[in-house]
Amino acid sequence: AQSVTQLDSHVSVSEGTPVLLRCNYSSSYSPSLFWYVQHPNKGLQLLLKYTSAATLVKGINGFEAEFKKSETSFHLTKPSAHMSDAAEYFCVVSGTPKLKNSGGSNYKLTFGKGTLLTVNP
Amino acid sequence: GAVVSQHPSWVICKSGTSVKIECRSLDFQATTMFWYRQFPKQSLMLMATSNEGSKATYEQGVEKDKFLINHASLTLSTLTVTSAHPEDSSFYICSAPDRGIYEQYFGPGTRLTVT
Repeated sequence: AQSVTQLDSHVSVSEGTPVLLRCNYSSSYSPSLFWYVQHPNKGLQLLLKYTSAATLVKGINGFEAEFKKSETSFHLTKPSAHMSDAAEYFCVVSGTPKLKNSGGSNYKLTFGKGTLLTVNP
Repeated sequence: GAVVSQHPSWVICKSGTSVKIECRSLDFQATTMFWYRQFPKQSLMLMATSNEGSKATYEQGVEKDKFLINHASLTLSTLTVTSAHPEDSSFYICSAPDRGIYEQYFGPGTRLTVT
């Protein structure tokens, strides 16, 4: 079983200031973790992913996240917000596909409820 | 990266009619695809797992007779909303995992409005 908790439903920052979007997870397996961004009426775009390699993961558009197993956290950060960063962000956990005979079910993703990021000029 | 397309991107239909939504993996084969539903200002909820050549697996609470899924080839899965009602109006998104690099690719979504 796996679950994701995004601790803030809405985060508001000023342009040029740091962004912190918080995510905690639980998983029965060694998890893979993702952050996706969704602009209004658009599909999802992958920002970054953690799949048991380096714990500090760098993604697109200056975002990065750190996997902390002891805290079961995978918080998303960016040093300086841009207006174009305003969107909905989803933290996602996936089961590992490394299990034999697991078929497709271990690619099943569990989404957090999302955090709406507002960037003020 | 790999591309997943959906068609149509939006559709308006009358209550009681059926609507088919297609999900295609354009440059990779997908033996498994996933269908999600997203209501306004909410997260994505997994509806079902589509398996090529076999029956789909539905999540608890999803009516399999209402949401028919067919995964007829390695690049195409279809979701048919039968006898649609206004409460079925939603944003439907599909995804497909690329097993080679362990990443899922999402379609752009289909906005369904039932009047």
